[in-house]
Order: sequence, then structure tokens, then C-alpha cells
Amino acid sequence: DAGVIQSPRHEVTEMGQEVTLRCKPISGHNSLFWYRQTMMRGLELLIYFNNNVPIDDSGMPEDRFSAKMPNASFSTLKIQPSEPRDSAVYFCASSLGSGSSTDTQYFGPGTRLTVL
Amino acid sequence: QKEVEQDPGPLSVPEGAIVSLNCTYSNSAFQYFMWYRQYSRKGPELLMYTYSSGNKEDGRFTAQVDKSSKYISLFIRDSQPSDSATYLCAMSAQGSNYKLTFGKGTLLTVNP
Repeated sequence: DAGVIQSPRHEVTEMGQEVTLRCKPISGHNSLFWYRQTMMRGLELLIYFNNNVPIDDSGMPEDRFSAKMPNASFSTLKIQPSEPRDSAVYFCASSLGSGSSTDTQYFGPGTRLTVL
Repeated sequence: QKEVEQDPGPLSVPEGAIVSLNCTYSNSAFQYFMWYRQYSRKGPELLMYTYSSGNKEDGRFTAQVDKSSKYISLFIRDSQPSDSATYLCAMSAQGSNYKLTFGKGTLLTVNP
């Protein structure tokens, strides 16, 4: 299995631009998570999908952030407009079941976003 | 007070040393405790999982949970250069157990 696939691996953009991050979960996994990692705040859950439905988006920082999961094999995280404080590494993770703690979350390699 | 506190290190030890990594937490609802390992420029990977209090051993790794003290530990015996990574503790509560709260991670370097 290829694991969780994220693209792009690196993104450098200017403030105000739209940014779209992409994720392909492990085939057969029912839960998908988007995280953000910064030095200041560590790793934080942004949004959790189960069976393509957003279950918990309480971690999404503000309306500039949106996430979709149109099918079981693809998800996007969009930032519009982007700001310098959005600079971080964004991880996508997937798990087999309902996302409970006993389900191992498998993380992708991350997208390193820099907003100038 | 942050929900999960973890000493960021960095921690540098010689090969073969015993390593102790720790986290404290404030939320008494946490029941599930995990340790993740994150190599540089990679995503975290699950290393150990423990439910409630007690010890769990897996090869050179031992995870301990003391719920009365709200304190968890990861011990690495006979540390190897390949153990050099950032170690993140994570925990979650019953009822919202998909929602992991992570420590900021401890950077460990094992020197050959």
C-alpha cells in the first residue's frame, strides 16, 4: 500500500492567494483527519471526516479554511485568502474504522506551506 | 495551563542509554494514551498505545500511565541511532476518542 498521499509536498504562496492541499487516504479507510503542525502550537486537529461526512470541524481556525471530501479516495483543504500565520505543515491522516482511539491513524508526509 | 505538557528537549544520549520521555496532562477525562514517533520531514507514526493506567511493553519500548498523577512516560532501552526522532505523546477522552490532543514533542538524538 502506498500509504496516505498528500500533494503538494511544499507550497510557497503570497498573502491573499488561495491555497488547496490534497489528500488521498489509504484505500478502504473510513476516517480522514486534517491536522496542522507548528512550533508554537504543536499538532492540532482541524477537521475529521467519517464516511466522507464532516463530523467535527471545531478545530478549523476560521472561515478562511474549508475542507471537502467528495468521495472516499480524495479530500481537499482550502485556505482562501491565505495569511502568513497560516504557514505550517499540514498533515492528512486516515484510519480504518470510525476514528476511535483504538483505530491507528496513519499520517501522510505532510504539506509544508509558506505564506509570504 | 495547557491540556498536555511535554518537555521539548532537545535530549541527546549516547547509544545504548536508557531514555525516559514524559508528558503531564490536566484533563482527567483522558483515558487513551499514545506515543507517536516523527522522523524529520515525515508524518507521525504510532509507536505505543495504552488504555487507562498501567504499563505496556513492546520490545525495547515501555509505556507507563499513572492516571492518579496525570503523568505518562515512554522508556526506550538500549537506544539506537535509528531512534533519533521527535516523540509526541497524545491522548483522548471516552466519547470523543477520535480527537487526539498532542504534546508538542521531545526531540531525541542518539549518538553512535
